[in-house]
Amino acid sequence: ETGVTQSPTHLIKTRGQQVTLRCSSQSGHNTVSWYQQALGQGPQFIFQYYREEENGRGNFPPRFSGLQFPNYSSELNVNALELDDSALYLCASSPYPTGWYGYTFGSGTRLTVV
Amino acid sequence: DQQVKQNSPSLSVQEGRISILNCDYTNSMFDYFLWYKKYPAEGPTFLISISSIKDKNEDGRFTVFLNKSAKHLSLHIVPSQPGDSAVYFCAASSTSGGSNYKLTFGKGTLLTVNP
Repeated sequence: ETGVTQSPTHLIKTRGQQVTLRCSSQSGHNTVSWYQQALGQGPQFIFQYYREEENGRGNFPPRFSGLQFPNYSSELNVNALELDDSALYLCASSPYPTGWYGYTFGSGTRLTVV
Repeated sequence: DQQVKQNSPSLSVQEGRISILNCDYTNSMFDYFLWYKKYPAEGPTFLISISSIKDKNEDGRFTVFLNKSAKHLSLHIVPSQPGDSAVYFCAASSTSGGSNYKLTFGKGTLLTVNP
């Protein structure tokens, strides 16, 4: 098991720009979920991908989009960045598309929008 | 609309004593609960979980209690150790229905265990 790795660890972007965050899921895990953790808050569900299809989405606008690839890697894309998008973005993988089974989280990407 | 609430932002205890972290929820569809621990610069790691068919689950020094009628759960750590110092998140999920793919987290409680 290699765990969940995310890149980059830190990123600074300007308002209005676009950003792509990357995640490599734990081997054998065909489900990836993305969470946003703002300062002082708990992680908030963005969306989940299961077998390369979006399986569920939280209350985030369409400018948040994702992709999952057959090799267990995935991306989170955010267009038209806003200051409020500054947060820690967590990727989590699991063998099943259910939250209750439990996830393995990566260490996150700290995004700062200026 | 905070469906999972951790009303204590922080808790400080002495090494060797009991730590009790509390969590309340409002959504009656939640029937599975998890606790995650998070150290700085690391992702949350799974600690312990409990299904709504139980009222207690133990794993070593960690015990989670669930009171369904009060929509309340608590995590007990006995004895507390300095290495337990971290942010603890309570999370809830539904095992059925349309939203069983996600976890809903509380804001977390920072536990500090003093030597």
